[in-house]
Amino acid sequence: DIQMTQSPSSLSASVGDRVTITCRASQRISNFLNWYQQKAGEGPKLLIYSASNLQNGVPARFSGSGSGTDFTLTISNVQSGDFATYYCQQSYSTPNTFGPGTKVDVK
Amino acid sequence: EAQLVESGGGLVQPGGSLRLSCAASGFTFSRYWMTWVRQAPGKGLEWVANINHDGGDQYYLESVKGRFTISRDNAKNSLVLQMNTLRAEDTAIYYCTRRVANGGDWFDPWGQGTLVTVSS
Repeated sequence: DIQMTQSPSSLSASVGDRVTITCRASQRISNFLNWYQQKAGEGPKLLIYSASNLQNGVPARFSGSGSGTDFTLTISNVQSGDFATYYCQQSYSTPNTFGPGTKVDVK
Repeated sequence: EAQLVESGGGLVQPGGSLRLSCAASGFTFSRYWMTWVRQAPGKGLEWVANINHDGGDQYYLESVKGRFTISRDNAKNSLVLQMNTLRAEDTAIYYCTRRVANGGDWFDPWGQGTLVTVSS
């Protein structure tokens, strides 16, 4: 199985900050990497698919990049609704595996 | 708008069974693979099982093989997860999600989840 890691596991940010989350796969997965946002008590929400494509309706302050084993999710100009937990997920092979999550909270 | 609503969760004793359902609306259900993902309390997300368009192919997390069965009824726009021989480590919120494939593939949307608690 492909192992996914994320860093940091948590971070604190202020409204208006720029935040970067890193995801690493244990083997090369091309661009088969997706990002999800999960708020407390809710199901996850797709933000970015295929490493860099913004899902319809997701604000343009979210962006993704990377290929192979290393990927990043960037939130520019963090807003109050962005405080949540973020997960990466590889869809290169079954079982699809998720990173452990990065919790973004208020500084 | 595509929507998924799970039901069927609850408290069950170890060794017991539970049947989860997911009602789909707002999209052509029969065109998509469907998936169950779970989340143990305070933990991350774990893929559990996939089923293809017509129900002919299923894939499972190793730890649930032989105990869980994923199935679908395309006429009723319904996805089911039959869970047998439940263990404490199966305690989690179970989410139903649609697998979208277009080059790569991803999960969208997700339901609100249904909580399964395995405890004596």
